[in-house]
Amino acid sequence: EVQLVESGGGLVQPGGSLRLSCAASGFTFSDYAMSWVRQAPGKGLEWVSVIGGGGIETQYAGSVKGRFTISRDNSKNTVHLQLNSLRAEDTAVYYCAKGGDSHLPFDYWGQGTVVTVSS
Amino acid sequence: DIQLTQSPSFLSASVGDRVTITCRASQDISSYLAWYQQKPGKAPTLLIYGASTLQSGVPSGFSGSGSGTEFTLTISSLQPEDFATYYCQHVNSFPLTFGQGTKVEIK
Repeated sequence: EVQLVESGGGLVQPGGSLRLSCAASGFTFSDYAMSWVRQAPGKGLEWVSVIGGGGIETQYAGSVKGRFTISRDNSKNTVHLQLNSLRAEDTAVYYCAKGGDSHLPFDYWGQGTVVTVSS
Repeated sequence: DIQLTQSPSFLSASVGDRVTITCRASQDISSYLAWYQQKPGKAPTLLIYGASTLQSGVPSGFSGSGSGTEFTLTISSLQPEDFATYYCQHVNSFPLTFGQGTKVEIK
C-alpha cells in the first residue's frame, strides 16, 4: 500500500524558513518523480515543484522559484521542500504527491502539512 | 503558462443526475489531462488520467473525454459520495497547472 506522510509544517514569520519532509512507502521510491502541491485556505490547487527519480532534474512554479528548493534522499525514501524567504501568500496546506513528470499525473497524495506565515 | 478554465465553477445537482464538467486549455495539450476529486479537509484523489483512462478503483460511473484543448468529466448518475470539488490538471509541460475547480453540491 502506497503511503505518503508529510511533516514539518508550522507557524513562521514572514521572511523565515521551514523544511517540509515527506516519507514514502509501498513503492520503489527511486523509480518515480515526486512533487509538492499546495492549497491556500479556501482556494484551489497549485503545483509547486517536482524532482525526478534520480534527484537530478527539478522544476519549480514561478511563484516559488529562487525561494524554495526540492530535494530527495532515495536511501531514506524521503523528499524534502526547503521554504525560504516565506511570505504571507505561501500560507497553505502543502501536499506531497507521487508523480508529476513524464506526463504522469499525481496518483497518490499525502494528507498534507499546514504552513502558516504570519507575524 | 497553460491556463485551464473549468465550467461551471459551481453546480447544484440531485442524486441520480448526469453531470458534465468542462475543462478548456489555453493551448493544445494532446491528451495530457487528469481529473481529481477533493472532499473537504481531504487530499485530492486521482479519477482520470490521459484524458479518458479511469484510475484503478474509481467507480465506472466516472468517465473522461476530449483531446487538444477541450475536455469533459462526466458522472453518469450522481451518488451521495460524489458531492465534492473537481479539478482538472494538465501534465503536458512545466509549469503544471490546475483548473480553478468545480464544486458539486446537493440540490
